[in-house]
Amino acid sequence: AQKVTQAQTEISVVEKEDVTLDCVYETRDTTYYLFWYKQPPSGELVFLIRRNSFDEQNEISGRYSWNFQKSTSSFNFTITASQVVDSAVYFCALSEADTGGFKTIFGAGTRLFVKA
Amino acid sequence: DVKVTQSSRYLVKRTGEKVFLECVQDMDHENMFWYRQDPGLGLRLIYFSYDVKMKEKGDIPEGYSVSREKKERFSLILESASTNQTSMYLCATKPTGALKNEQFFGPGTRLTVL
Repeated sequence: AQKVTQAQTEISVVEKEDVTLDCVYETRDTTYYLFWYKQPPSGELVFLIRRNSFDEQNEISGRYSWNFQKSTSSFNFTITASQVVDSAVYFCALSEADTGGFKTIFGAGTRLFVKA
Repeated sequence: DVKVTQSSRYLVKRTGEKVFLECVQDMDHENMFWYRQDPGLGLRLIYFSYDVKMKEKGDIPEGYSVSREKKERFSLILESASTNQTSMYLCATKPTGALKNEQFFGPGTRLTVL
C-alpha cells in the first residue's frame, strides 16, 4: 500500500549546522510525484519542491537541496547552514497517477528546531 | 497572489453541536480538499471535490460531510461534533492536472470540541 515515512519526529540543531530530513515512500505506481512542504508556526503549509518519478535529477535552491533516489525509494531534503527561520514542520508527500493525484499521501512530518 | 482563506482560526464547540468550517479560494481552482492534521499522523484526507456539486470521500470521511455549491467555496460539516474530532483542519486547492500540481493551503482552523 502507498505510504510515506518520515522517521525523524523532531530534530534540533544549532544555527549554521547542516541538517537532512529523511523521507521514504512506498508505491506500486510507476508514475507519481513527490513533494516537500514547509509548515511554519503560522500554520499554513507552503510548497517547496516537486519531483516526478521519471526525473531523478537532484535539485538545489539556495540553501535547500533535495536528493531523489528511486533505488532506495527516498526523497531526502537537506538544509545547509540552517537558520532560525528554518524552524518549522516539514512534510513529505506522494501523489500517484492511480488516484489521479487527488489522494495525496503525507508523511507524519518532521519538526525542525534551529537554535540561535 | 494565490489565496485560500478559512472562516476561523480557532473554534470551540460542544459535543453534539453541528459545526460548519468554510473555505474560500480566489484562484479559480477546480479541486478543493479538506484535511485534518493530528500530531504523529500528518495530514489525512477527509473529502475532496473536483467540481461544483461534486464530492468524493477521502480516507477518513466518517462523521463529516461537505458541500460545494460554488466553485470558490468548499464547506466541511460536522453533523454532530464529538471530542475525537478535536483537531487542526486544513483546506487546500489544486488547479487542473491534480497529479503534478502542488496544493495551496489555507491557514487552518483549530477546532476544540468539549
